[in-house]
Amino acid sequence: QKEVEQDPGPLSVPEGAIVSLNCTYSNSAFQYFMWYRQYSRKGPELLMYTYSSGNKEDGRFTAQVDKSSKYISLFIRDSQPSDSATYLCAMSLLRRTQKLVFGQGTRLTINP
Amino acid sequence: DGGITQSPKYLFRKEGQNVTLSCEQNLNHDAMYWYRQDPGQGLRLIYYSQIVNDFQKGDIAEGYSVSREKKESFPLTVTSAQKNPTAFYLCASQTGVNSNQPQHFGDGTRLSIL
Repeated sequence: QKEVEQDPGPLSVPEGAIVSLNCTYSNSAFQYFMWYRQYSRKGPELLMYTYSSGNKEDGRFTAQVDKSSKYISLFIRDSQPSDSATYLCAMSLLRRTQKLVFGQGTRLTINP
Repeated sequence: DGGITQSPKYLFRKEGQNVTLSCEQNLNHDAMYWYRQDPGQGLRLIYYSQIVNDFQKGDIAEGYSVSREKKESFPLTVTSAQKNPTAFYLCASQTGVNSNQPQHFGDGTRLSIL
């Protein structure tokens, strides 16, 4: 079993829809949770970064962490065609190295 | 502009050849990382370095080597011992391993076999 599981999709939704992206993990020691957006042939770009359980909002994006269920989510409101990309969840332990463990990414397409 | 620069963007390797991928950052970050990304898979850690002249193996270090002679630079060599080198290689940097700040990525090098 992988440490971090993420549905690879592809996921296709109409413009303006609310998008929900999810990851589950098995290691309860993970403390830091990130969402990266990756456009084709580009490096991942950090979208959201959270430490604790609960919600964090930034514009149209909301990151949710439920440590008791070992489940994290990213919600995108009023989705736009420019949101079409691969979304990667990542997490790390509370220790020196800050090594990240990534999900496999969900490919999202927003249709105009 | 501050950032991470990876070069070349595309690279081709012949059988039995070693190739070196460049990663330079002007963010004054202490920590640097190399990841490999295969289609439909997440990123996997190859090597990382916390300070100059020091580096550690990641999860898939076999067939790769690195050096960290300068804070700004962390080149990755893909050796002939790496039998399946075709992948997208990503370099990342971070303020410091104890900073709790996230990693930031360059735009990658795509390596293919001729």
